Amino acid sequence: GESVGLHLPTLSVQEGDNSIINCAYSNSASDYFIWYKQESGKGPQFIIDIRSNMDKRQGQRVTVLLNKTVKHLSLQIAATQPGDSAVYFCALEAGNMLTFGGGTRLMVKP
Amino acid sequence: EPEVTQTPSHQVTQMGQEVILRCVPISNHLYFYWYRQILGQKVEFLVSFYNNEISEKSEIFDDQFSVERPDGSNFTLKIRSTKLEDSAMYFCASSDGGSWQPQHFGDGTRLSIL
Repeated sequence: GESVGLHLPTLSVQEGDNSIINCAYSNSASDYFIWYKQESGKGPQFIIDIRSNMDKRQGQRVTVLLNKTVKHLSLQIAATQPGDSAVYFCALEAGNMLTFGGGTRLMVKP
Repeated sequence: EPEVTQTPSHQVTQMGQEVILRCVPISNHLYFYWYRQILGQKVEFLVSFYNNEISEKSEIFDDQFSVERPDGSNFTLKIRSTKLEDSAMYFCASSDGGSWQPQHFGDGTRLSIL
């Protein structure tokens, strides 16, 4: 079955630095990928998505990169701020459901 | 900004009892979902719902579970004869498309089975 994995469970960065959160997946049939942010006591919040016909997509301070060859997805956050501290999940769509990764906790040091 | 709302935020129930978790999806969305997250584990898909019927369900979603859209705004998850292992956060989500459209999540209901 599908599996989605995270390379690092915790990432600690200095405020103002860039953050990179990685995600590996195994289902080559997946064609839609999403990054979510989850703050304590809240549900997953949509950040950015990308379809499989793209390899890069940019939002406000965030960039998602997709490498289908090695089945790897990354989220880059520019100029990381304290408000970015949260758990970040990658999720891939298969059929009508999302399969989530285990999450990476991003800690921003002032 | 439109959001998915879930009630209650915390539900405590005795083992064997039935619970109903409630969700109000974003108003113009047509696709509805339930997920759960056991403490310390991944978010897991339970069921998707479109056009008043289940479109997909996971192995977790057995006969103990059911979903319903009783009116034009609510979407419910019923768990019959609850077990200790049903304790988890339950998230409702909605989207305005079946594929390639982001699912938007509520803040969840924490279900505690005693």
